[in-house]
Amino acid sequence: QQPVQSPQAVILREGEDAVINCSSSKALYSVHWYRQKHGEAPVFLMILLKGGEQKGHEKISASFNEKKQQSSLYLTASQLSYSGTYFCGTVTASGGYNKLIFGAGTRLAVHP
Amino acid sequence: KAGVTQTPRYLIKTRGQQVTLSCSPISGHRSVSWYQQTPGQGLQFLFEYFSETQRNKGNFPGRFSGRQFSNSRSEMNVSTLELGDSALYLCASSLITPDDNEQFFGPGTRLTVL
Repeated sequence: QQPVQSPQAVILREGEDAVINCSSSKALYSVHWYRQKHGEAPVFLMILLKGGEQKGHEKISASFNEKKQQSSLYLTASQLSYSGTYFCGTVTASGGYNKLIFGAGTRLAVHP
Repeated sequence: KAGVTQTPRYLIKTRGQQVTLSCSPISGHRSVSWYQQTPGQGLQFLFEYFSETQRNKGNFPGRFSGRQFSNSRSEMNVSTLELGDSALYLCASSLITPDDNEQFFGPGTRLTVL
């Protein structure tokens, strides 16, 4: 059950803000955010855990609404280096071991 | 410390052949996950191994298999290759489970099936 990300793509000017959303049809244990630059491997940004704990990036913030099974990634005062594809991954509690499943990604382009 | 390494980086095969990809996790990491990445599909989960045991499997046909060795190195195998198997295959390692821990991705193996 792949989480749904929106929007699919965003174009920004340097300094503008953006919000990327991630939603799931199932109750979430945690939400993970990664960024992948063109031709590179995905890189960890942060994890948001059920209960409010957050681990990760200092300059990028995110929220996790457990009741709505949604997370949002907030990119403020964007920089050129923010360009890339952002993936959210969700862990839903299941009968066996928890599984981390990623969404299709949101492409972000920041222009001067 | 050294990052996740994957070999080979590029592969070209023909339909019907089989292929084995290798992943060496960061030293001390016990969990290795494999993903298939194609344009527009994001990161499709293949399987996750922890201490030589497959803990999770994605929705891929049985042609896709994997294993993990006692030193945490992992291999994945695809038999009877199809054109649709062309993709970037990424492996990622984490200290323990990826549920609530950072994953470190390797550079990937780009597989082209002709």
